[in-house]
Amino acid sequence: EIVMTQSPATLSVSPGESATLSCRASQSIDTNLAWYQQRPGQAPRFFIFGASTRATGIPARFSGGGSGTEFTLTISSLQSEDSAVYYCQQYNKWPLTFGGGTKVEIK
Amino acid sequence: EVQLVESGGDLVQPGGSLRLSCAASGFNFTRYWMSWVRQAPGKGLEWVAIVNQDGREKYYVDSVKGRFTISRDNAKNSLFLQVDRLRAEDTAVYYCARGVFFDHWGQGNVVTVSS
Repeated sequence: EIVMTQSPATLSVSPGESATLSCRASQSIDTNLAWYQQRPGQAPRFFIFGASTRATGIPARFSGGGSGTEFTLTISSLQSEDSAVYYCQQYNKWPLTFGGGTKVEIK
Repeated sequence: EVQLVESGGDLVQPGGSLRLSCAASGFNFTRYWMSWVRQAPGKGLEWVAIVNQDGREKYYVDSVKGRFTISRDNAKNSLFLQVDRLRAEDTAVYYCARGVFFDHWGQGNVVTVSS
């Protein structure tokens, strides 16, 4: 099983600042990585696939990068509605696996 | 508009069974792998099972192998998860999701396993 590790667990950022979330895979997954946002009480929302391709309707201030085992999600110019938990997920091998999530808080 | 609507969640005793359903609309259901993903209370996301377009290829997370069965009815645009021999640790919101990366999600259905 490919273990996905996200860091930090919680990130507290002021509005207008940027935030970088990390996701590490226990073995290479090429760029077979997706990111999701989940707000409290809501279903997850699809954000990025292929490590860096934004889903339809996702603002350009969200950018994904990386390949192999190291990945990042950068949120520039943070807004209050970005407060959520962000999950990475690998789809390179079965079983599909998620990271534990990073909670982004707005100061 | 893509819609995924789950049903079938309930309170069930340990060792019991349920059949979860997901009605899909707004896209060509037969073209997509379909998954179930769950989230225990206060926890993160866990992929549970996936089925390919014709229903012949299926994969499961180890913790549910032999107890859960994923299936689909392409004529009815529906996805199912038969959950047997339920345990307390199966308590979660169960989401139906499209694909191997999940570009559309249902609203979730609560399964509670408790005596």
